[in-house]
Amino acid sequence: DTGVSQNPRHKITKRGQNVTFRCDPISEHNRLYWYRQTLGQGPEFLTYFQNEAQLEKSRLLSDRFSAERPKGSFSTLEIQRTEQGDSAMYLCASSQWFSSYEQYFGPGTRLTVT
Amino acid sequence: QQQVKQSPQSLIVQKGGISIINCAYENTAFDYFPWYQQFPGKGPALLIAIRPDVSEKKEGRFTISFNKSAKQFSLHIMDSQPGDSATYFCAASKNSGGSNYKLTFGKGTLLTVNP
Repeated sequence: DTGVSQNPRHKITKRGQNVTFRCDPISEHNRLYWYRQTLGQGPEFLTYFQNEAQLEKSRLLSDRFSAERPKGSFSTLEIQRTEQGDSAMYLCASSQWFSSYEQYFGPGTRLTVT
Repeated sequence: QQQVKQSPQSLIVQKGGISIINCAYENTAFDYFPWYQQFPGKGPALLIAIRPDVSEKKEGRFTISFNKSAKQFSLHIMDSQPGDSATYFCAASKNSGGSNYKLTFGKGTLLTVNP
């Protein structure tokens, strides 16, 4: 296993379109996290899963955002009706439940909304 | 409200010098303080971390100094190398429901080490 992978790495979309990103965590990790990073800022927590259960959602995650982790393996993050303010790097991380402070990040998906 | 404040925003150091990045936090419930290193096009990678029961932790050329009373912690990179050139983020988290899962990051410091 080479680490957390994310696809696509880059996505350019027009305002109003829907986009979906995928994250594949490290195989033995049962916790999965989504963060958003804008230019010049550190990552901001969006949500996290333990196995297939979504346990917390940040208020940054508006109703246009939805995340899933079916079967507790890969996760998807969907943004509906994208806005220019959604342009950011979307980072996925994973960890074991007993060491959730040690999070391993993927390379991210850079979203540009035109 | 920025819970973790990081400085400086950018730092230029000569090869072999010491790089020092500082962070200050507000929430006294924070009990885990990691530093992440991020290269362009990559996700952040955990570098070193400390809990408030110790004042210093060293791993190779990287040292975290922690001052609980001042609510400050810093990263020192000894013998800085050009390969250390990256963006460094401090972060903090608090135990919630038995685990530290939500990391709050600083804004980052872009370190450039000149050869």
